[in-house]
Amino acid sequence: SYKLTQPPSVSVSPGQTARITCSGDAFPKMYAYWYQQKAGQAPVLVIFKDYERPSGIPERLSGSTSGTTATLTISGAQAEDEADYYCQSADTTGTYVVFGGGTKLTVL
Amino acid sequence: VQLQESGPGLVNPSQTLSLTCTVSGDFISNSDNYWTWIRQQPGQGLEWIGYIYYSGDTYYNPSLKSRVTMSVDTPKSQFSLKLTSVTAADTAVYYCARKRGDRNFDYWGQGTLVTVSS
Repeated sequence: SYKLTQPPSVSVSPGQTARITCSGDAFPKMYAYWYQQKAGQAPVLVIFKDYERPSGIPERLSGSTSGTTATLTISGAQAEDEADYYCQSADTTGTYVVFGGGTKLTVL
Repeated sequence: VQLQESGPGLVNPSQTLSLTCTVSGDFISNSDNYWTWIRQQPGQGLEWIGYIYYSGDTYYNPSLKSRVTMSVDTPKSQFSLKLTSVTAADTAVYYCARKRGDRNFDYWGQGTLVTVSS
């Protein structure tokens, strides 16, 4: 079955840049999506179609892809960015949805 | 757009888990949307269960396909999930979500915890 691989954890100092990667063979053919989940809350879509941001999502969150890796970049990380981040895509048929295992971002 | 899950919070092992998601602020029959169930086992990541189109077309996670049935009730603006033969491994927070075109899962319910235990 198709898999997306993320690092379990990433740490960043306030004001610095954090990068969370997501590796999958379906990239770049299939889009990458990113969701932010804070403790006890439902996930929130923060990046769609590789790099587009929904309204209300801060510009410091950005997405990119290169080869078989998608990256979520958080520039000037703030305490409020501390959360679990999940990448998501689909298999090469576009039918079946897959999530990465999630990355816990710690801002300290 | 708002989505709200409802259903029993406790299910006996080997029984059927049944949940409903009520949608407001959008139409179940909107052709741009697929209505989705996603779950999250305690301390774990997100797992896509499947989605349903207003026409009734369904797409299920192959790992759960043999136990999953989804349905849609357009007049009530609801869609539903049934998961049969549950075990403790099915204990999870179950989310319903809207998949809108290429935006994917842009609106989510708050989630409902379902515990499988006798």
